[in-house]
Amino acid sequence: KAGVTQTPRYLIKTRGQQVTLSCSPISGHRSVSWYQQTPGQGLQFLFEYFSETQRNKGNFPGRFSGRQFSNSRSEMNVSTLELGDSALYLCASSYGRLQDYEQYFGPGTRLTVT
Amino acid sequence: SQQGEEDPQALSIQEGENATMNCSYKTSINNLQWYRQNSGRGLVHLILIRSNEREKHSGRLRVTLDTSKKSSSLLITASRAADTASYFCATDGSGTYKYIFGTGTRLKVLA
Repeated sequence: KAGVTQTPRYLIKTRGQQVTLSCSPISGHRSVSWYQQTPGQGLQFLFEYFSETQRNKGNFPGRFSGRQFSNSRSEMNVSTLELGDSALYLCASSYGRLQDYEQYFGPGTRLTVT
Repeated sequence: SQQGEEDPQALSIQEGENATMNCSYKTSINNLQWYRQNSGRGLVHLILIRSNEREKHSGRLRVTLDTSKKSSSLLITASRAADTASYFCATDGSGTYKYIFGTGTRLKVLA
């Protein structure tokens, strides 16, 4: 099976702009989660989508949003970018709910905000 | 605050030795997972252990879980240079639907 894919792999944006990141899960996986990884804060949970519904959200401002489509593909959007949003954004998919199944991670999107 | 905290933060051993990493967490869990991250292969799932399990093995990996102490350990036996990576534990806060990663242990295996 093909793994989790994320596009784009690298992105440079300017403060104030908005960005959309895309994630294609492993075929058959219904849950997609997003994480932000920075040297200072480590890996932080953004949100999980299961069957097109957001199940929960981490402690991030409303500028961070996402959605999941009927084919389980997911997008994450960050509006009004700030310098502190520079990070590696990781997407993970799992067959079912997070608390029941292991997650498989994509390679990430490296976002740099200037 | 972090749900999972790994100990030690960094570990350096010789090839062939065993490496043990510990993880502590704060709330009840449904499962605990261990992951490895290196620059070449990204974040890779190693083992999932459920709250009703005490020990699991996968190849050279052995994971234990003590829910009474809210702690887990990962043992890598006969380590290899290729095991050099950061290792993270991750837990779900039971009922919260959030997944929390620990701070990680940086393992360096010297050839």
